[in-house]
Amino acid sequence: DGGITQSPKYLFRKEGQNVTLSCEQNLNHDAMYWYRQDPGQGLRLIYYSQIVNDFQKGDIAEGYSVSREKKESFPLTVTSAQKNPTAFYLCASSINGQGMGTEAFFGQGTRLTVV
Amino acid sequence: DAKTTQPPSMDCAEGRAANLPCNHSTISGNEYVYWYRQIHSQGPQYIIHGLKNNETNEMASLIITEDRKSSTLILPHATLRDTAVYYCIVRVGSGNTPLVFGKGTRLSVIA
Repeated sequence: DGGITQSPKYLFRKEGQNVTLSCEQNLNHDAMYWYRQDPGQGLRLIYYSQIVNDFQKGDIAEGYSVSREKKESFPLTVTSAQKNPTAFYLCASSINGQGMGTEAFFGQGTRLTVV
Repeated sequence: DAKTTQPPSMDCAEGRAANLPCNHSTISGNEYVYWYRQIHSQGPQYIIHGLKNNETNEMASLIITEDRKSSTLILPHATLRDTAVYYCIVRVGSGNTPLVFGKGTRLSVIA
């Protein structure tokens, strides 16, 4: 099936440890995005990548890192520098609209809990 | 910051039409209006988008005012499974600019 896959669905880590969240898409989409969602809040942009080997910081990039070595993969690392890492993390992808509006598709999210 | 304004919550009786409003008074000529919804603990689901003409698909209809400063998402026959947070977003059509989410409208469909 075509789509965007995030793994794992639930993740537990000890405070001070780095953790990497996986996001893979087989939609041949150019762009990929990472968002964070806290309880009762909307989604906030962490990082995004419009093309392989390039990415830009979003509104809340501090304490996070990403890489985009392959078109289909955009892993997010939550580092120990992130003060409040416990949250719901969502990955999305979209194709370049070339002037036309195109939709972005979301994965089902990874719920990270740091204890 | 989000460029749209939505009511925080709405109720709708099951089987009736749900009309969700959105204001986007500063929308630019090259920006589309997108609607997504998020059911609890899931990823947002794309519903519909449009530029200036009204749009309809199997899920919903999108009505955009002539001046493009506001729009309404219509779910013609709401069911309990339509209970979710609905987000209205404006986004340029070219390139791959990120979606900017506000707080959305929490729609509760009541039996």
